[in-house]
Amino acid sequence: AQSVSQHNHHVILSEAASLELGCNYSYGGTVNLFWYVQYPGQHLQLLLKYFSGDPLVKGIKGFEAEFIKSKFSFNLRKPSVQWSDTAEYFCAVRRRALTFGSGTRLQVQP
Amino acid sequence: DAGITQSPRHKVTETGTPVTLRCHQTENHRYMYWYRQDPGHGLRLIHYSYGVKDTDKGEVSDGYSVSRSKTEDFLLTLESATSSQTSVYFCAISEVQRYGYTFGSGTRLTVV
Repeated sequence: AQSVSQHNHHVILSEAASLELGCNYSYGGTVNLFWYVQYPGQHLQLLLKYFSGDPLVKGIKGFEAEFIKSKFSFNLRKPSVQWSDTAEYFCAVRRRALTFGSGTRLQVQP
Repeated sequence: DAGITQSPRHKVTETGTPVTLRCHQTENHRYMYWYRQDPGHGLRLIHYSYGVKDTDKGEVSDGYSVSRSKTEDFLLTLESATSSQTSVYFCAISEVQRYGYTFGSGTRLTVV
């Protein structure tokens, strides 16, 4: 069965630190990959998506992700986090429908 | 938000009672989805629809049924609610399946 793994469950960073959140998936075919963010008390919002082409994808709010096919990975990065980035981040893979990872809670301390 | 509304926003119900959650969209998108969100599990797909009267099961469909009689409405029914169905339920829509989804604001359901 297709699965999505997010190994970091809770990450605590100080403002201006760099961020990298891991995402690995198990499906071997063509995939569409996504990162969503959920701010406290809100619904999920799309950060970025990968369909094909350039494996480095840029999204909103300064986030980017790199698709590495050989590693089945789609890690999310941001060079310098802000307090407002405190949220839960979900990686997702689409085949029939989106399958989500269990999420990574990011806490940014001022 | 992007023409998708979930109702009710909050509901408390007793074990064994039927519950229906509604998702309404004004975007005329073909695809609609129901997910539940639980701590440590992320979002898990319950059911989805790829057109009027066309639905399919997701990974956690037991105890749930759905109906879609109109493009704009996708109903999720818990025939006999159990405490394990206490969760936050999110509806999502997409115009083309491979595109990203737009999510509703969620329904927080508590079964006591």
